[in-house]
Amino acid sequence: EVQLVESGGGLVQPGGSLRLSCSASGLTFSTSAMVWVRQAPGKGLQYVSLITSNGGSTYYADSVKGRFTISRDNSKNTLYLQMSSLGAEDTAVYYCVRSYGYYDYWGQGTLVTVSS
Amino acid sequence: EIVLTQSPGTLSLSPGERATLSCRASQSVSGSYLAWYQQRPGQTPRLLIYGASNRATGIPDRFSGSGSGTDFTLTISRLEPEDFAVYYCQQYGSSPRTFGQGTKVEIK
Repeated sequence: EVQLVESGGGLVQPGGSLRLSCSASGLTFSTSAMVWVRQAPGKGLQYVSLITSNGGSTYYADSVKGRFTISRDNSKNTLYLQMSSLGAEDTAVYYCVRSYGYYDYWGQGTLVTVSS
Repeated sequence: EIVLTQSPGTLSLSPGERATLSCRASQSVSGSYLAWYQQRPGQTPRLLIYGASNRATGIPDRFSGSGSGTDFTLTISRLEPEDFAVYYCQQYGSSPRTFGQGTKVEIK
């Protein structure tokens, strides 16, 4: 059974930083492209960032470019999202997702709340 | 960036009825690389359809997808109680990958 388990969410002040982690099991993580997708409260789904299987290439939505950094450690089967200069617009549930172009396996998500 | 527009915003139907959801792209979706997801209240999104018409593993055959180019459709042939949810389309033919805004299927 594939499991993607996110952690690291929480309450952070505007302008602050946070690092999300996603621990993967039940799939061949080292050959899987991975993405972060977020969903603001009561809103739709928004692609955030993608990293290729070997970590050699990364891509970002314009809304987070220059503020967020995606990375991975294939030896630990773990995906990361380093978020900085956070604003209220970044408040959302962040999902770790396996990507084949389409997104077939989703974690349960971790809530990030940006508020003073 | 390809903008996906889903219609209607909300669909009010009864169990057993047929649901037809539309997803229109602002430009042609390369390779019919379009997926559909279901999100039940309080749950994680679930992949239903990929490649416009291929059902994902474990998805009942009452769900079907069709279309190409800029116009795509998700059809639920007979609504079951667990099908009342929000449905999103997503294109993965070009970067950035984009989602539609969602269609809510609610009980009439």
